[in-house]
Amino acid sequence: GDSVTQMEGPVTLSEEAFLTINCTYTATGYPSLFWYVQYPGEGLQLLLKATKADDKGSNKGFEATYRKETTSFHLEKGSVQVSDSAVYFCALTDSTLTFGKGTMLLVSP
Amino acid sequence: GAVVSQHPSRVICKSGTSVKIECRSLDFQATTMFWYRQFPKQSLMLMATSNEGSKATYEQGVEKDKFLINHASLTLSTLTVTSAHPEDSSFYICSARTGTGGQDTQYFGPGTRLTVL
Repeated sequence: GDSVTQMEGPVTLSEEAFLTINCTYTATGYPSLFWYVQYPGEGLQLLLKATKADDKGSNKGFEATYRKETTSFHLEKGSVQVSDSAVYFCALTDSTLTFGKGTMLLVSP
Repeated sequence: GAVVSQHPSRVICKSGTSVKIECRSLDFQATTMFWYRQFPKQSLMLMATSNEGSKATYEQGVEKDKFLINHASLTLSTLTVTSAHPEDSSFYICSARTGTGGQDTQYFGPGTRLTVL
């Protein structure tokens, strides 16, 4: 079945550092790919998405490119802020959402 | 944006009791609601999908008699954990989707932490 693997956290960075959270997937079809973010005490929110190969999703300075050849959808941000501290979930969908385990990001001033 | 609430946010109960968790879409009508379970450091696992007015569809391995789901209206779904045991302790998250929405219009609640003593 479909699955999503993302790097284990926590990822600890200083403010303004470059962020990469790796995500790879296995799927039988041609899924859409997503990154969700969960801030403390809140529900998951859609951060960005890509629906086909080579698409780049972007939002709030975050971006991820759908790489079919490497089955990856790595999340990047050029300069993180303390307010980006949260748990980030990579997910894919064919018919239902399949999530990775989540990666906690901690950004210190 | 669309808001989904869950109540309670945290519940502690004794083994053998039943616990009801509510999931509400506050400003939109949710024809489909989903219930997930999340263990520590694990991904969200879909438990069941419910459409308003019809029986829920449970994922393989989820006991439908233990996890009762009711989706009686377009804004409310409930999950009842019957005769809870310590192994049912987990984080339960609901999400709601409008009838015409794709997967990206699935809105998530903040979750309910269940602890069974």
